[in-house]
Amino acid sequence: ETAVFQTPNYHVTQVGNEVSFNCKQTLGHDTMYWYKQDSKKLLKIMFSYNNKQLIVNETVPRRFSPQSSDKAHLNLRIKSVEPEDSAVYLCASSDRGRTEVFFGKGTRLTVV
Amino acid sequence: SQLAEENSWALSVHEGESVTVNCSYKTSITALQWYRQKSGKGPAQLILIRSNEREKRNGRLRATLDTSSQSSSLSITATRCEDTAVYFCATDGDNYAQGLTFGLGTRVSVFP
Repeated sequence: ETAVFQTPNYHVTQVGNEVSFNCKQTLGHDTMYWYKQDSKKLLKIMFSYNNKQLIVNETVPRRFSPQSSDKAHLNLRIKSVEPEDSAVYLCASSDRGRTEVFFGKGTRLTVV
Repeated sequence: SQLAEENSWALSVHEGESVTVNCSYKTSITALQWYRQKSGKGPAQLILIRSNEREKRNGRLRATLDTSSQSSSLSITATRCEDTAVYFCATDGDNYAQGLTFGLGTRVSVFP
């Protein structure tokens, strides 16, 4: 099966903890993304990454960082979570032409 | 930067009826895409319509694009309960690595 796979599906953690979410795509795409979706379903891009370029949305706090081992994997690390980080984090990938962006099912983060 | 916006927050229809979601955007585009997100899933593409196209169909779905007014619409005919979802329009940026910019989303509810 070719798709975008995210783990975990859910994560509950306390303020100040570090968390890491995994993402793998088997579509052979060269570009991967992380989006944040808030409770109102607003989708905001956080990072875009391929083997040549990392683009960071300037509104993303520094405690967020992408980590990639190869073009099929793009993990998301949050150093010290805060309550406003509670959201669904969606990993996605596309080819260079962006004719279609494929999304994973998302990781729902709850910060208590 | 581009901003895609849907014009209605939520729409409700009964099965068999038609529904139209509208979208406006702010700058020039090469293509506009429509996505649907069902509960617990990531967004999935429905239609891509290029800037030189005025209309595109995919089964019960019909997308239009008016570049002069910078607007697009997605119509669903003969709606079914499984069409219940959040619908997004999305536009591309100049840099392929930037990913897509998604609109605010319109929640469509189809009732029996």
